[in-house]
Amino acid sequence: GAVVSQHPSRVICKSGTSVKIECRSLDFQATTMFWYRQFPKQSLMLMATSNEGSKATYEQGVEKDKFLINHASLTLSTLTVTSAHPEDSSFYICSARDSAGGASDTQYFGPGTRLTVL
Amino acid sequence: GENVEQHPSTLSVQEGDSAVIKCTYSDSASNYFPWYKQELGKGPQLIIDIRSNVGEKKDQRIAVTLNKTAKHFSLHITETQPEDSAVYFCAASKGAGNMLTFGGGTRLMVKP
Repeated sequence: GAVVSQHPSRVICKSGTSVKIECRSLDFQATTMFWYRQFPKQSLMLMATSNEGSKATYEQGVEKDKFLINHASLTLSTLTVTSAHPEDSSFYICSARDSAGGASDTQYFGPGTRLTVL
Repeated sequence: GENVEQHPSTLSVQEGDSAVIKCTYSDSASNYFPWYKQELGKGPQLIIDIRSNVGEKKDQRIAVTLNKTAKHFSLHITETQPEDSAVYFCAASKGAGNMLTFGGGTRLMVKP
C-alpha cells in the first residue's frame, strides 16, 4: 500500500516551454501533497504544500507564478513549471500524506521527475 | 523554524558491520521523526519512523532511537548488506499536516 506515482519520470524540453508533472496517490486519499526539488548530491527542499480544493502554500523564495500547483482531487496534484529555463533543471519529487488513520503524519514519496531544460 | 543536522555525510562500512547515522533537531515541538532511503535516480522510500512518545523502535535489521531531552535521534543498521548502499535522510516534523524538515543526507557505502 501507500504508493505514489509521478508522471513523467523524465522530461527534456526547450527553454521557454511549460512542463506539467503529475503526482498521484494510487491506493489512498491525500488531502495534502508536497512538492520538493532536489539538486545533485543535495537534500530535498520543500517548494510548496498542496491542499485539495484550496490554494497551495509556497515556501519563501519559490515563485508561485512560475511553479503552478493544482490539487483538484484527493488523489492528484500537478506542478506546472512555466516558461522553463536551464536553471529550472532539477529532480522534482512529490509526496502525499495519507488522510485517513492515525498515522496521518506519514509522507510517502513518488519516484521523482527529472527535468532537463535545454 | 526547525533545523535538522545529520552526520556523517558519508559512511563506508564493510559488509556485515553495523552503521549508525545521527541527527539533531532544534525545535522541541517536533514529534515525528522518519528516516528515508534514497537510491540513485529514485524518490525517497520510508524505512522507519518514530514518534516522540517512543524511545526506540526496531524493524528487523533497522532500529531508530530518540532522545527528546537531547533532541537527537539515530538510525542503526545491523548486518549491513551491499543493497543497503544508498543515501539516507532523517527528517523531523510537528506531526499531522506539518512539513518535514530534512537533514543533509548520509551516503552509505557497504563494501562486499
